[in-house]
Amino acid sequence: EAGVTQFPSHSVIEKGQTVTLRCDPISGHDNLYWYRRVMGKEIKFLLHFVKESKQDESGMPNNRFLAERTGGTYSTLKVQPAELEDSGVYFCASSPPGRSSNSPLHFGNGTRLTVT
Amino acid sequence: AQSVTQLGSHVSVSEGALVLLRCNYSSSVPPYLFWYVQYPNQGLQLLLKYTSAATLVKGINGFEAEFKKSETSFHLTKPSAHMSDAAEYFCAVSEGSGGGADGLTFGKGTHLIIQP
Repeated sequence: EAGVTQFPSHSVIEKGQTVTLRCDPISGHDNLYWYRRVMGKEIKFLLHFVKESKQDESGMPNNRFLAERTGGTYSTLKVQPAELEDSGVYFCASSPPGRSSNSPLHFGNGTRLTVT
Repeated sequence: AQSVTQLGSHVSVSEGALVLLRCNYSSSVPPYLFWYVQYPNQGLQLLLKYTSAATLVKGINGFEAEFKKSETSFHLTKPSAHMSDAAEYFCAVSEGSGGGADGLTFGKGTHLIIQP
């Protein structure tokens, strides 16, 4: 079974530019999450998709961040325009449908975003 | 609201020595607790989880953790450290058993350093 894959693994952009991160969850996983870890801080929840619907986006920092999951498969996270404080590692995770104690999150390797 | 505190951003032990990584949590409901590990350049991998079935939880790679409600703790231990255990470890709490569907609140992480 292929794991959660994220593209790109690293991205370096200038302040004011746009960046789009992509996440391909494990096939069949309805739940898809985005998390972010700013250097030295906790891994923080950004949002949760169930299929193509946003279940919870309470962790999105501001309206410069836009997440989509058209068709309920892969997801993108766009930052426009990027600011210095957006630098960090963005993790995607997925889990099977429903709510089960036997369904932990499966994480991707993350995308390291550096805004200069 | 829930939170996680991991004592010590870095813990150093000798190879063969006991590993103890501390985690304290707060939760308004009975919690579900997790330990994740991140090896260099990899994603987060589930080590073990507590979902109320047993207070002593055994995980992969010889790790185990004990849930102590009176101390609101979920410390991670391993009797004998191995060089391959060098990684960053994250404690996390969820208010639902899903972990996945309910999302996670993470601690800041602890780097485990193994001295030869």
